Amino acid sequence: EDKVVQSPLSLVVHEGDTVTLNCSYEVTNFRSLLWYKQEKKAPTFLFMLTSSGIEKKSGRLSSILDKKELFSILNITATQTGDSAVYLCAVAKTRDDKIIFGKGTRLHILP
Amino acid sequence: SAVISQKPSRDICQRGTSLTIQCQVDSQVTMMFWYRQQPGQSLTLIATANQGSEATYESGFVIDKFPISRPNLTFSTLTVSNMSPEDSSIYLCSVWTGRNGYTFGSGTRLTVV
Repeated sequence: EDKVVQSPLSLVVHEGDTVTLNCSYEVTNFRSLLWYKQEKKAPTFLFMLTSSGIEKKSGRLSSILDKKELFSILNITATQTGDSAVYLCAVAKTRDDKIIFGKGTRLHILP
Repeated sequence: SAVISQKPSRDICQRGTSLTIQCQVDSQVTMMFWYRQQPGQSLTLIATANQGSEATYESGFVIDKFPISRPNLTFSTLTVSNMSPEDSSIYLCSVWTGRNGYTFGSGTRLTVV
């Protein structure tokens, strides 16, 4: 059975700290791994990773994929209160375009 | 990337009634996906909607409870039928947009009382 596991499930840090969110997966017909930020209702796209070892960056956020170890991390440096959200990891499959979501990491940044 | 207009944004409904949620995409897409997110949970795929054919439902979801229409390549509806409080969730539609992954509609927050 396909599964995506995120850790930790929740995290509270102070503004300015650096956080690392983890995502491991066991999925057949892997196409890509995606990270989303969910603040209210709709998840917003952060990164899509398809190749191992290539870091993607956007401002203070970065992510990398390890297809051998079936693992990805999302780093956020110099966190701000606006980073408080649920971060979702998902894996897209090749055969049917479905994506499988992890349970998410709820991140809370204290001022 | 595609832009999806989803409505209603929220609704409070009486148990036993039905609610239809609409998603309009600003470009033609082959498949649209409908998700449910129960309180405190992650997103669960309800069904995949293809234009011109019946929707494909995931395990645990049935057409009588969640009928879906896909009349053309830019529009789809999901109906939540005979609602109970357990149907209180956020419902989201989504399409694959290529390099930007999947784009989601703004979501419908449903409360059943």
